[in-house]
Amino acid sequence: NAGVMQNPRHLVRRRGQEARLRCSPMKGHSHVYWYRQLPEEGLKFMVYLQKENIIDESGMPKERFSAEFPKEGPSILRIQQVVRGDSAAYFCASSPAGPNQPQHFGDGTRLSIL
Amino acid sequence: AQKITQTQPGMFVQEKEAVTLDCTYDTSDPSYGLFWYKQPSSGEMIFLIYQGSYDQQNATEGRYSLNFQKARKSANLVISASQLGDSAMYFCAMRSLNDYKLSFGAGTTVTVRA
Repeated sequence: NAGVMQNPRHLVRRRGQEARLRCSPMKGHSHVYWYRQLPEEGLKFMVYLQKENIIDESGMPKERFSAEFPKEGPSILRIQQVVRGDSAAYFCASSPAGPNQPQHFGDGTRLSIL
Repeated sequence: AQKITQTQPGMFVQEKEAVTLDCTYDTSDPSYGLFWYKQPSSGEMIFLIYQGSYDQQNATEGRYSLNFQKARKSANLVISASQLGDSAMYFCAMRSLNDYKLSFGAGTTVTVRA
């Protein structure tokens, strides 16, 4: 499967635990984006990364959320001390460099907080 | 700031008929791209079609076509010869040329009836 790979597909955490969401971009794509989708809503931009660089994190909550895209390995979205309001679907997308390249999405991670 | 409006929360269409999904947008950027994505009940986001603001012709991809009216700031998606597998949520999104984050509308649910 040459598409964007996200894992896990479903993640259950108790309040106060940490959640780690992984994303491997499509082959040849150097740009990674994370979006969050609350129930019955469209996707909202969170963060845009290139290898080893956070380019724009204007959509990230100021606390508890962080993202990275290391030189080797997948991009990681990390949520510390999760709360019920973090329950959502988290989508990763990737694209090649260049203007108006379509972003191709992974299947998402459904995060449920007990 | 960019804003995407999808005014139809839900639509029903008979199999083999065409359906038009409305999308209007608001932006002050002179150059931008418009995208449509499909989200079936399984949850993944599937890229359907792209229209650039300076493209002279309306985009088409198989049974999908985009009715782009720049002066009206609308980018309606037309699905021809609907199939049962077209039942899904459809999102309109845009991105300015010098930006990378997608802004999404709230989505339209399409249900195809046999």
